[in-house]
Amino acid sequence: EVQLVESGGGLVQPGRSLKLSCAASGFTFSNYYMAWVRQAPKKGLEWVATISTSGSRTYYPDSVKGRFTISRDNAKSSLYLQMNSLKSEDTATYYCARRRSSSPFDYWGQGVMVTVSS
Amino acid sequence: DIVMTQSPSSLAVSAGETVTINCKSSQSLLSSGNQKNYLAWYQQKPGQSPKLLIYLASTRESGVPDRFIGSGSGTDFTLTISSVQAEDLADYYCQQHYSYPFTFGSGTKLEIK
Repeated sequence: EVQLVESGGGLVQPGRSLKLSCAASGFTFSNYYMAWVRQAPKKGLEWVATISTSGSRTYYPDSVKGRFTISRDNAKSSLYLQMNSLKSEDTATYYCARRRSSSPFDYWGQGVMVTVSS
Repeated sequence: DIVMTQSPSSLAVSAGETVTINCKSSQSLLSSGNQKNYLAWYQQKPGQSPKLLIYLASTRESGVPDRFIGSGSGTDFTLTISSVQAEDLADYYCQQHYSYPFTFGSGTKLEIK
């Protein structure tokens, strides 16, 4: 059974940093692109980052480019999101998601909440 | 960036009725190379993570009931839910996976009368 379990969320002050983790199991992690998608409270979905199978290629929207870094450790079947210079508008539930070749995101974690506030 | 415009923002129907949700993209999502449309639909039930329903515009994800039907091509797409059931209460989102940055529609809230 595919499982994606996020951790590392919490309350952080504006301008500070936070690192999210996602532990994957039930599939060959190194064979899949992975991604982070977020959802602000009572709002819609926003794609945040994608990483290739080897980690050599990463993709970001302008809203987080230069502040967020996605990475992975295939030996540990783990995905990460380093978030720097956090802003109040980064407050959201962050989901780890798996990307299949012909579809965007076929499995999602349960999400982890990040609150950016002083 | 490709802008995804979804409508309606909400709707309320009785069980057994048919629902249609529309999604329009600002650019074509049709690949000239393989003639596939890179459009997906997700369902998000209250308090849960999103679930993939449809990808490549009309391919139903494994395990998704056949009352969920995706259609459309180019820039105009539709999710049809036939014979709506109480368990279909959820938010529905379209998403383009044609090019980065991947973008989502603003969502449609489906309520059951």
